[in-house]
Amino acid sequence: TQLLEQSPQFLSIQEGENLTVYCNSSSVFSSLQWYRQEPGEGPVLLVTVVTGGEVKKLKRLTFQFGDARKDSSLHITAAQPGDTGLYLCAGDRHSGGGADGLTFGKGTHLIIQP
Amino acid sequence: NAGVMQNPRHLVRRRGQEARLRCSPMKGHSHVYWYRQLPEEGLKFMVYLQKENIIDESGMPKERFSAEFPKEGPSILRIQQVVRGDSAAYFCASSPARTSVYNEQFFGPGTRLTVL
Repeated sequence: TQLLEQSPQFLSIQEGENLTVYCNSSSVFSSLQWYRQEPGEGPVLLVTVVTGGEVKKLKRLTFQFGDARKDSSLHITAAQPGDTGLYLCAGDRHSGGGADGLTFGKGTHLIIQP
Repeated sequence: NAGVMQNPRHLVRRRGQEARLRCSPMKGHSHVYWYRQLPEEGLKFMVYLQKENIIDESGMPKERFSAEFPKEGPSILRIQQVVRGDSAAYFCASSPARTSVYNEQFFGPGTRLTVL
């Protein structure tokens, strides 16, 4: 089973600052997903990256997939209190792509203070 | 277009009782996955099912836990003789039937199981 490590585990910053969180592995993934989870709710899919070196933007969020498809990053510009939450990266449990259970990182707990 | 539905949202059981958790996938989705989230731990895969078939149950405890996804009706995760260590949030996710490199899964709101 492929493993994912996320860093930092916790991050607390002021509104308006920029931040980057990381998702790393020694394994190659056919795709990686980023989710955001709020207390008492299920994870909500933010983006899927598939191609090595791919960059996707979602408003103030920028997602990048590493060239070797082993790691990914999430950059938030001008963070707002509404960005507070648990950010999870996930990838296929087994190589090969297609439908499969996901392996998750433990997540980054992000708090944006007004 | 309704999302993934799970019920109940909260379930309290005493040790030794049975817990039944239900999941209705998104319309048009025929792949269902169950995950468990313990406090301070990440989401852990339990089982992957398609209609009437268990595809991968390698993440599910060998004893007391079972899952099904019948031809008609929701997917059921069943935990027999619950113990306190089963207390957790259980999430169901679904994905479309098409074969794709995109393994995108959409999650329900979860069932929070508390074992007294």
